[in-house]
Amino acid sequence: KAGVTQTPRYLIKTRGQQVTLSCSPISGHRSVSWYQQTPGQGLQFLFEYFSETQRNKGNFPGRFSGRQFSNSRSEMNVSTLELGDSALYLCASSFGTGGNNQPQHFGDGTRLSIL
Amino acid sequence: AQSVSQHNHHVILSEAASLELGCNYSYGGTVNLFWYVQYPGQHLQLLLKYFSGDPLVKGIKGFEAEFIKSKFSFNLRKPSVQWSDTAEYFCAVRSGNTGKLIFGQGTTLQVKP
Repeated sequence: KAGVTQTPRYLIKTRGQQVTLSCSPISGHRSVSWYQQTPGQGLQFLFEYFSETQRNKGNFPGRFSGRQFSNSRSEMNVSTLELGDSALYLCASSFGTGGNNQPQHFGDGTRLSIL
Repeated sequence: AQSVSQHNHHVILSEAASLELGCNYSYGGTVNLFWYVQYPGQHLQLLLKYFSGDPLVKGIKGFEAEFIKSKFSFNLRKPSVQWSDTAEYFCAVRSGNTGKLIFGQGTTLQVKP
């Protein structure tokens, strides 16, 4: 079974621009979560989607948003990019939400660099 | 607020040495516990998980972890490490019915051949 697929793998943007990252979960998985990984802050939860609904949101500004489509694919958008948004953005999918004891499986991530 | 603390940031061992990485969490309710590993240039992979039942869980590649509820701990162990175990290890906690994982800061393990 194919793993979690994230596109693009690398992205370079400048301050003030916006960016959209894409995540295709493992087939059959309906829950998608996003994380930001930086050397200073480590892995931080951004948001979780299940059945096209945002179920949880982390402590990130409103510039960070996401959505999930009916096929469970998810996109994450960051507007008005700042230098501090440079990070590895990870997507994880699971069969259901946390309540059904299923672990999350991670993609390779999108490396976003802000100039 | 929930948090996860990993005691060691950087561990250096020789091959065949035993490994124990500490992990403590702060949450009083029901939790799911995980250890993930990130090999250089690769994605996060699940090493093992604890949901309920036997507090001693076995994972892939000879790793195991013990959940001690009274100590809010979930330490990772391996009796004999190999050079290929060089990687970054993350402890994570998930509470309740959410999909939100809270990660520790990670421990970089370097195994010398």
